[in-house]
Amino acid sequence: ETGVTQSPTHLIKTRGQQVTLRCSSQSGHNTVSWYQQALGQGPQFIFQYYREEENGRGNFPPRFSGLQFPNYSSELNVNALELDDSALYLCASSFQGSYEQYFGPGTRLTVT
Amino acid sequence: QQQVKQSPQSLIVQKGGISIINCAYENTAFDYFPWYQQFPGKGPALLIAIRPDVSEKKEGRFTISFNKSAKQFSLHIMDSQPGDSATYFCAASIPNTNAGKSTFGDGTTLTVKP
Repeated sequence: ETGVTQSPTHLIKTRGQQVTLRCSSQSGHNTVSWYQQALGQGPQFIFQYYREEENGRGNFPPRFSGLQFPNYSSELNVNALELDDSALYLCASSFQGSYEQYFGPGTRLTVT
Repeated sequence: QQQVKQSPQSLIVQKGGISIINCAYENTAFDYFPWYQQFPGKGPALLIAIRPDVSEKKEGRFTISFNKSAKQFSLHIMDSQPGDSATYFCAASIPNTNAGKSTFGDGTTLTVKP
């Protein structure tokens, strides 16, 4: 059984740029959730994808967008990067209907 | 509005001692309360979870105590070991068909001294 994987591990971008982060869900899981974890804080829910559609969104602006592919992998896109977007971005996969979710190691994004 | 408040922010315990971390929630619609363990450079890992229809759940050295009327729940780590040193997060989820959307506390950094 393959766990949740994310790429890249680290990323440095400049304010105003765009970034795409990738996530492969755990084998058998059809739902992907994305979280933002600022330094010293708990993860904050960004949005969730199920059946290739956004299925719930937290308090994040539209410049945060995503995709889910037929193989259940997912992308998180952030446009017009701001300094406050610097954080660890976590992807979690689950099976629709189950509360148990499994996190990947995250992508550390630094915006300068 | 922070819906899940976690305390303490940091905790130092001697090896073999009991570590206790507390969380309080506001939204009575929450019905799933997991605890996650996170090591530096890693994503959170599900440790143990409870539903509000029980007051306690134990798995090995880890126990969740749940007080529905007080809207509080806590994690107890018995016989704490240096390998337990990590950041612990409580979380809560609202029931619907889209499970997995969780509200997290801000975390407790646990240090277990040998």
